[in-house]
Amino acid sequence: GENVEQHPSTLSVQEGDSAVIKCTYSDSASNYFPWYKQELGKRPQLIIDIRSNVGEKKDQRIAVTLNKTAKHFSLHITETQPEDSAVYFCAASILTGGGNKLTFGTGTQLKVEL
Amino acid sequence: NAGVTQTPKFRILKIGQSMTLQCTQDMNHNYMYWYRQDPGMGLKLIYYSVGAGITDKGEVPNGYNVSRSTTEDFPLRLELAAPSQTSVYFCATRPLGESRWSYTFGSGTRLTVV
Repeated sequence: GENVEQHPSTLSVQEGDSAVIKCTYSDSASNYFPWYKQELGKRPQLIIDIRSNVGEKKDQRIAVTLNKTAKHFSLHITETQPEDSAVYFCAASILTGGGNKLTFGTGTQLKVEL
Repeated sequence: NAGVTQTPKFRILKIGQSMTLQCTQDMNHNYMYWYRQDPGMGLKLIYYSVGAGITDKGEVPNGYNVSRSTTEDFPLRLELAAPSQTSVYFCATRPLGESRWSYTFGSGTRLTVV
C-alpha cells in the first residue's frame, strides 16, 4: 500500500518568514495530493490540493509543488502569520478505484512566533 | 445542511466494554471513511465504504467493525475495548466523481479506554 513520509515533525518560524513542509510517497500510481490544516482540537480542513498532471499550484500565501519523478511534494507558506500555527498533514491518493483512500503523513506542527 | 455529524463527542469506556460511534452525513456522498488519530500522529484508515452495502478494511481494522445499510450512516463498532483504542476518531466523506476530490471531516469523537 501507499506510504507517505512527512518532514519536519515540528517547525518554528518567525512571523513573516516562509515555511516549507516536505512529503514523499511510495506508490507511483498516486495522483492526488491534498494538504490539510488541523488546529488544536478541531477537524482537519483542506487548504490546498494538487493533481499529478500539475507541477505547481498557488492560492494566495500557500503553494504546493509536485515532483512526480522523485515522488515528493511540498507545501510552501509565505509571509507566515500567527494564525498559520497548526498541524499540517500531507496525504496521497489514487483517485480512480480502490475507494479513493487517502494515506496521510504523520503531520508537521508549525509554530509561528511573533 | 449539517454536513458530517459524529456522536458522541467524548466517551470514556472501561476495558472490555463495547460501543458504537455514529457518523451521519446529509450530503449524499458515496464514499465514507473512518480514521483514527493517535496523539502526535497522522490519521490511519480503519474502514471505508464506497456505497451502501459495501465496506472494506483499511490499514488498522482489528478490533473494529462497520456496516453501511444506508447512504447516510456509517457506524463504527468497537467490541471489547482495549487501551490501545484510546484515540480520536474521525469520520469523513467524499462525493462520487473526480471533479470533487476533497474529504469532508466530522468533528471527531475522543475516546478514552481505561
